[in-house]
Amino acid sequence: QQKVQQSPESLIVPEGAMTSLNCTFSDSASQYFAWYRQHSGKAPKALMSIFSNGEKEEGRFTIHLNKASLHFSLHIRDSQPSDSALYLCAVSAMGYKLTFGTGTSLLVDP
Amino acid sequence: ETAVFQTPNYHVTQVGNEVSFNCKQTLGHDTMYWYKQDSKKLLKIMFSYNNKQLIVNETVPRRFSPQSSDKAHLNLRIKSVEPEDSAVYLCASSQGLGGQNTLYFGAGTRLSVL
Repeated sequence: QQKVQQSPESLIVPEGAMTSLNCTFSDSASQYFAWYRQHSGKAPKALMSIFSNGEKEEGRFTIHLNKASLHFSLHIRDSQPSDSALYLCAVSAMGYKLTFGTGTSLLVDP
Repeated sequence: ETAVFQTPNYHVTQVGNEVSFNCKQTLGHDTMYWYKQDSKKLLKIMFSYNNKQLIVNETVPRRFSPQSSDKAHLNLRIKSVEPEDSAVYLCASSQGLGGQNTLYFGAGTRLSVL
């Protein structure tokens, strides 16, 4: 059964800093990797996703995937107070299930 | 812009009672899901439906039963709630079947069991 772990559990960064969030997974057959963001009391919302090894950038957000290391990450450039939220990584192998990680709580200090 | 609507927002009940949660999506998606988010914020899938057919049924207690009248609606009934059922129940939808589709979540129903 897929296990998805995130680190760190929580993080405080100053406004304008680069934030790096990590996600490891256990199933080497995993094919789809995504990040979701959930502001307090709100619905989780998809940020971005990736299928292939390498990097993908969208605005201030970059995903980096290394399938061999069973690891992918989310980097947030110029972090803003509005980025303060719970970040959830999610992984899918063949099949119907998307398995979520344990979450990283990010606070961007203005 | 909200497109997955859940009611109620929160519900407080006592052990042994029956509760029902409703979910409706206006995105025209054909797949809907129920996820449970526990106190540690871990999201776990419970059920998924595709065009009113049950596709994923995780190992949840039998007191949980999903109900789908059409592809835009997916409800969740819990018979005889237990304290460990206290959580946020999140409904989601996606266009297409499969774990590689983007999920669109509702804001959730927070259940407190006293």
